[in-house]
Amino acid sequence: DIQMTQSPSSLSASVGDRVTITCRASQTISSYLNWYQQQPGKAPKLLIYTTSSLHSGVPSRFSGSGSGTDFTLTISGLQPEDFATYYCQQSSSTPWTFGQGTKVEIK
Amino acid sequence: QVQLVQSGAEVRKPGASVKVSCKASGYTLRGYFMHWVRQAPGQGPEWMGWINPNGDAPKYAQKFQGRVTMTRDTSISTAYMELHNLRSDDTAVYYCARDPGTIWRYFDYWGQGALVTVSS
Repeated sequence: DIQMTQSPSSLSASVGDRVTITCRASQTISSYLNWYQQQPGKAPKLLIYTTSSLHSGVPSRFSGSGSGTDFTLTISGLQPEDFATYYCQQSSSTPWTFGQGTKVEIK
Repeated sequence: QVQLVQSGAEVRKPGASVKVSCKASGYTLRGYFMHWVRQAPGQGPEWMGWINPNGDAPKYAQKFQGRVTMTRDTSISTAYMELHNLRSDDTAVYYCARDPGTIWRYFDYWGQGALVTVSS
């Protein structure tokens, strides 16, 4: 199975900050990397698919980059509604696997 | 608009089975993969498997092989996930999630989740 490792596990930031979350795959996954946002008690929501494509309706302050084994999610100008947990997920091979999550909290 | 509406919370005893439903609207089940993902309390999501657009070739994570069955009924636009021989560590929220199934694969829409509690 491909292991997905996110860092950091949690971070504290202020509204307006630029936030970067990284995700590393245990083997190459090409561009088969997706990012989700999850609010407490809610289902995850797709933010970014295939490394850098923004899902419909997602604000442009979210962006993704990377390839192979190393990937990044960036939030440029953190908004109050962005405080949540973020997960990366690979769809290169089954079983599809998720990172352990990064919780973004208010400083 | 695309919506996935799941059945409600369930409580089962160890060894029992549970069947969760997921009613799709705003698109046709035949055109997309449907996945099931679960999330135990305080944990990250865990992929369980998918049913393909034709409904004839489900694929399950090895961890659940032999214990899970994924089906669908296109006449009522509903997908199902049945998990057998439940254990306490199966307590989780179970989500259905749509996948366009193109060359690039991802979960673009999710159900609201169904909490399954396994307790004696």
